[in-house]
Amino acid sequence: EAQVTQNPRYLITVTGKKLTVTCSQNMNHEYMSWYRQDPGLGLRQIYYSMNVEVTDKGDVPEGYKVSRKEKRNFPLILESPSPNQTSLYFCASSLYGDEQFFGPGTRLTVL
Amino acid sequence: AQKVTQAQTEISVVEKEDVTLDCVYETRDTTYYLFWYKQPPSGELVFLIRRNSFDEQNEISGRYSWNFQKSTSSFNFTITASQVVDSAVYFCALSGTPWGNEKLTFGTGTRLTIIP
Repeated sequence: EAQVTQNPRYLITVTGKKLTVTCSQNMNHEYMSWYRQDPGLGLRQIYYSMNVEVTDKGDVPEGYKVSRKEKRNFPLILESPSPNQTSLYFCASSLYGDEQFFGPGTRLTVL
Repeated sequence: AQKVTQAQTEISVVEKEDVTLDCVYETRDTTYYLFWYKQPPSGELVFLIRRNSFDEQNEISGRYSWNFQKSTSSFNFTITASQVVDSAVYFCALSGTPWGNEKLTFGTGTRLTIIP
């Protein structure tokens, strides 16, 4: 089944404790992206990747890192999480010029 | 810069009524794509439709229809004979020319509640 998976789905952590949210797709998509969703703001892009080893900042990259060592994986890294990173995070992937497939979301709470 | 405006924050209608969700967009691109996504209470994003800027034909899919008007930069979504299962947050989104950052610029969403 074609899908984008994210882990964990729910995470409660404390300020400053490094964490990684994994994203994996099985559709051989070149393009992958991370968004965060906050009430009243819709979804905003954090980082994107156009292919292996090619990543770039989106609209709200501060406090996040990403890597793309393999085509299927695009982890989101929070080196030192802060409460303002409490949000719902979505990973997405697509072939160029096609619809984006979204993962199920990761709800992160930073205390 | 791209922008999507969904002026209706929340809408409530009684079941079986028709409802239209408004979406107005801004872009300088000549080629762009418009989308609608549904986010049910379970939280996932469900793709509903994708439209490119060269195709202004209205689209109908069952009880759903979309009206794309470049002259007013609008891409409105109508649900006919609404049902309780239509209750969700609906997002309109815009992306620019492909083969680059295919970032989706989202509106802030419209929360639709269907009252049984």
